[in-house]
Amino acid sequence: DAGITQSPRHKVTETGTPVTLRCHQTENHRYMYWYRQDPGHGLRLIHYSYGVKDTDKGEVSDGYSVSRSKTEDFLLTLESATSSQTSVYFCAISEPKTGLEETQYFGPGTRLLVL
Amino acid sequence: AQSVSQHNHHVILSEAASLELGCNYSYGGTVNLFWYVQYPGQHLQLLLKYFSGDPLVKGIKGFEAEFIKSKFSFNLRKPSVQWSDTAEYFCAVKDYKLSFGAGTTVTVRA
Repeated sequence: DAGITQSPRHKVTETGTPVTLRCHQTENHRYMYWYRQDPGHGLRLIHYSYGVKDTDKGEVSDGYSVSRSKTEDFLLTLESATSSQTSVYFCAISEPKTGLEETQYFGPGTRLLVL
Repeated sequence: AQSVSQHNHHVILSEAASLELGCNYSYGGTVNLFWYVQYPGQHLQLLLKYFSGDPLVKGIKGFEAEFIKSKFSFNLRKPSVQWSDTAEYFCAVKDYKLSFGAGTTVTVRA
């Protein structure tokens, strides 16, 4: 398995509170991603990073922000958590090869419940 | 972005039965194709991938998939399933970004 850890693994929080999730990798991969997984939707991309301090939005970025100050760490912040952000959050990493060839490897996930 | 369709939401099989899961994507061009598996309570693991070359791809745990470009399809197969294949299976397609299908839950009864 790729060297990816996520913390915390489980979190319960209240509506309106800020929450930060951490993804840490030991593979020195350039690209890192945050997804959320919800029943019937598969995985949807929240934000991604293609290098230190280089980030971009995915398809469901509203209410989320990210930061990447080091290659190995990618933080996802919910500025003011809402119940609709209750989900399982997965981090992924990749190191694109030539052209489009790229395989993403996933972390163990963080289960977040917003009450 | 691609739209990825997985034909079955939930499949229930007996051990030793054959499995085929359908996956179609919305438009052509150069794509990377993937099947991931998620065992209960675990993270996504890569089963197999297609970048180019032989359209019949073999993956781990006896799974294979066939890319049919004319049909925009990448169906997953396993000739004989085991109870341990109980999991959720996701098809994913990458052009400029990775798009996932909604997933198919496979339940294998002993």
